[in-house]
Parts: sequence; C-alpha cells; structure tokens
Amino acid sequence: DVKVTQSSRYLVKRTGEKVFLECVQDMDHENMFWYRQDPGLGLRLIYFSYDVKMKEKGDIPEGYSVSREKKERFSLILESASTNQTSMYLCASSWGGDRGEKLFFGSGTQLSVL
Amino acid sequence: AQSVAQPEDQVNVAEGNPLTVKCTYSVSGNPYLFWYVQYPNRGLQFLLKYITGDNLVKGSYGFEAEFNKSQTSFHLKKPSALVSDSALYFCAVRDTDRDDKIIFGKGTRLHILP
Repeated sequence: DVKVTQSSRYLVKRTGEKVFLECVQDMDHENMFWYRQDPGLGLRLIYFSYDVKMKEKGDIPEGYSVSREKKERFSLILESASTNQTSMYLCASSWGGDRGEKLFFGSGTQLSVL
Repeated sequence: AQSVAQPEDQVNVAEGNPLTVKCTYSVSGNPYLFWYVQYPNRGLQFLLKYITGDNLVKGSYGFEAEFNKSQTSFHLKKPSALVSDSALYFCAVRDTDRDDKIIFGKGTRLHILP
C-alpha cells in the first residue's frame, strides 16, 4: 500500500517562528500536494509539485513556501507563523502519468500557533 | 476558475435508507471528478472517480456516483446506508483544460442514524 507519512501529528508553535512540515511518500509518485483543512472551508490547496525542484502555487500560497529537493519528500514551510495559520495540514501524492489518478493522503498535522 | 459546491453541510439518513450527498462543479473544460471520505481522526481516502464513459461510476464500500453533464453535478449515492458510513465526504474536481489543480468542496458531514 502507498504510504504518505507526515512527520508530526500535532505541533504547537509560537507566533513568528519558522515552521517546517515534512511529508514523505514511498511509492515514487511524481505529484505531491499540500492542503489545509478548516471547518466550513473544506480543503484548500496551498502548493503542489509535479517534479523534483518544481513547485506551483495553489489557491492560498501567501505566508507559505515549499521545498522539493527529492522526489519522495515535499516540505511545507511557514516563514513566520501566525495565529491564522492554525489549521490541519494535509499532504497528498499521486502518480503523474494520468490526471485521473487518485490522491493518497497522509494522516495530517494539526498545527496550533499561539 | 474551477469550483466545487457541496450545498449541504450535513445530511442525516436513517440506517437502511438510501443516501445522497450532493455536489455540483464549474470548470471551463472537461472535468475529472472525485469523491473522498474522511473518517474521524483519519486522513482522506479515495472513494471513486469519473473520468469518461459511463455516467454511473461505482466505488468503494458500495458507493456510487452519477455524472450529469447538463446539470454539472456529481452526486454520491448508496442504496442502503450503514451506521459506519457516518463520516465527512468531499467532492473534488480537476479541470483538464486548465492547470492541474485539484479543488475540493467544503465537505458534507453524513450522519447515519441507527
């Protein structure tokens, strides 16, 4: 089975801190995605990547950056955490051969910024 | 821009009754449509997808969805609901004529009443 692993299940950070959320997938997927999930707002796309060292902005990239130095790892970076970035962060991956390929999700990281 | 609407925040259904979770979409090209489910404290899981072909697609756990191009809808259905179907359901769309973003709806919480 495909496994998408997010390094932390819960994180508590302070305002202004630089935060790294790590995501690793073990199925050699080309595509990787970062979403945030908020009640009543559903999932919103932050950034995505279709290859190593490539990145594309999603719908809400402000305040975030990403890094994809290796195919299996996609990191989300909060340059200076703010309270409005308190959220559940979900990483996903998919095979790149077909746009119809399904996403495989990690279990999520619940980030609290105090 | 592409969008997905799930008009119901919550749907309540008695166990054994048929269920429907509604989804409508807006894209400029041909849509790829997906349904995902999120059980409590778990990541999202793929249920089913429509790419092309038969308008009725079958997926996991006895779920099916009907693609209606004229109504731009992709409603999720199940003939007989189980208590274990209680979860958060998300509809998603990929616009094949635009960028490769996968956009999710806000989610519908399904409660199956014993």
